[in-house]
Amino acid sequence: QVQLQQWGGGLVKPSETLSLTCAVSGGSISGYYWSWVRQAPGKGLEWVGEINHGGARNHNPSLKSRLAMSIDTSKNQFSLQLKSVTAADTAVYFCARRAAPKPEYFQVWGQGSLVTVSS
Amino acid sequence: EIVMTQSPATLSVSPGERATLSCRASQSIDNHIAWYQHRPGQAPRLLIYGASTRATAIPARFSGSGSGTEFTLTISSLQSEDFAVYYCQQYDTWPPLTFGGGTKLEIK
Repeated sequence: QVQLQQWGGGLVKPSETLSLTCAVSGGSISGYYWSWVRQAPGKGLEWVGEINHGGARNHNPSLKSRLAMSIDTSKNQFSLQLKSVTAADTAVYFCARRAAPKPEYFQVWGQGSLVTVSS
Repeated sequence: EIVMTQSPATLSVSPGERATLSCRASQSIDNHIAWYQHRPGQAPRLLIYGASTRATAIPARFSGSGSGTEFTLTISSLQSEDFAVYYCQQYDTWPPLTFGGGTKLEIK
């Protein structure tokens, strides 16, 4: 059974970079797209972006200019960096898996990492 | 961007009763909708995809219906573990993939 274990986040200062990593266990990182989804306090879910094993990326247009994603197939891990954060980036960030190339719903999710942007 | 609107925001239902949750898309998405259950502090769980197909190990009391712009998630006989927040998500036209604002299902 595939499981996603994520870490990183915590308290990040405004204008700095948020970093999160998600490790895949119980299955291969190949053959799927690996996404990040976030949930701001009291809000619904927002898709952030995704990357596949070959490095192909898709982004939420609202975040594209600040977003960087990477994948390390040797470690079965993928990562998110969000630059120039503000209080609006405070959220629980989830990593998730979807099938490739389709369909684009999320079959497996991580537990979430709380990121608080504050000075 | 396709906007997904869920209603009601909060639904109060007694255990053993039926719950009906709605999701409306701002334009037609065919049947490209998924539903998720999210309990506090846990990972979201995929319930339904393709509007009406239950995901692996999802009990038969969960059912989905609809096409185009109007969709429904029905839980036929509520169990204690079903009280959670439910989200719909469209995957017809993207980026971005978009979710509804959620329906909180609470015990009456």
